[in-house]
Amino acid sequence: DMKVTQMPRYLIKRMGENVLLECGQDMSHETMYWYRQDPGLGLQLIYISYDVDSNSEGDIPKGYRVSRKKREHFSLILDSAKTNQTSVYFCASRSGQIYEQYFGPGTRLTVL
Amino acid sequence: GEQVEQRPPHLSVREGDSAVITCTYTDPNSYYFFWYKQEPGASLQLLMKVFSSTEINEGQGFTVLLNKKDKRLSLNLTAAHPGDSAAYFCAVSDTNAYKVIFGKGTHLHVLP
Repeated sequence: DMKVTQMPRYLIKRMGENVLLECGQDMSHETMYWYRQDPGLGLQLIYISYDVDSNSEGDIPKGYRVSRKKREHFSLILDSAKTNQTSVYFCASRSGQIYEQYFGPGTRLTVL
Repeated sequence: GEQVEQRPPHLSVREGDSAVITCTYTDPNSYYFFWYKQEPGASLQLLMKVFSSTEINEGQGFTVLLNKKDKRLSLNLTAAHPGDSAAYFCAVSDTNAYKVIFGKGTHLHVLP
């Protein structure tokens, strides 16, 4: 059963603190994604990772960075979080042979 | 770049009625089309994927239509039931499907 996991599921941070969101997948998918979802805006792409150490900015990368040192693991880092980064963050993965993305359960981040 | 417009943003129907959600896109080279369902507080789950070479796909209780001439994708839920209450997102990509553009979503509420 294909699975994408995210940790933590809920996180509250103060403005200026660093944030680490983690994503894992057990399908050996090459490509992984980070999105944020805000009411009325749908899903906005933050970063794409095509494979280990092969990352590309998405549509809204400002204020975020990523790390992918193992194929099964993709991290999203917020250095000095801002209140406008309060959102639900979704990780997703796909392989080259399929075209749909598999989504994780999401992380609800609140920055106070 | 590709733009996807999804309508309506909110939709209420009575149990047993049909519900139609439509997306229009701008890039004539778009090739893969997806519909995702997101139940409240949950992640996105693939409902159906459609390739540019097909025009009608039927699932359990719904039909997806692709009109390439008008660049329009629609999801038609026949005989909606309360379990269909969720947010629905269309998504569009080109032939490599690495970057997917999502619509802003439709919140469907099926009244008993």
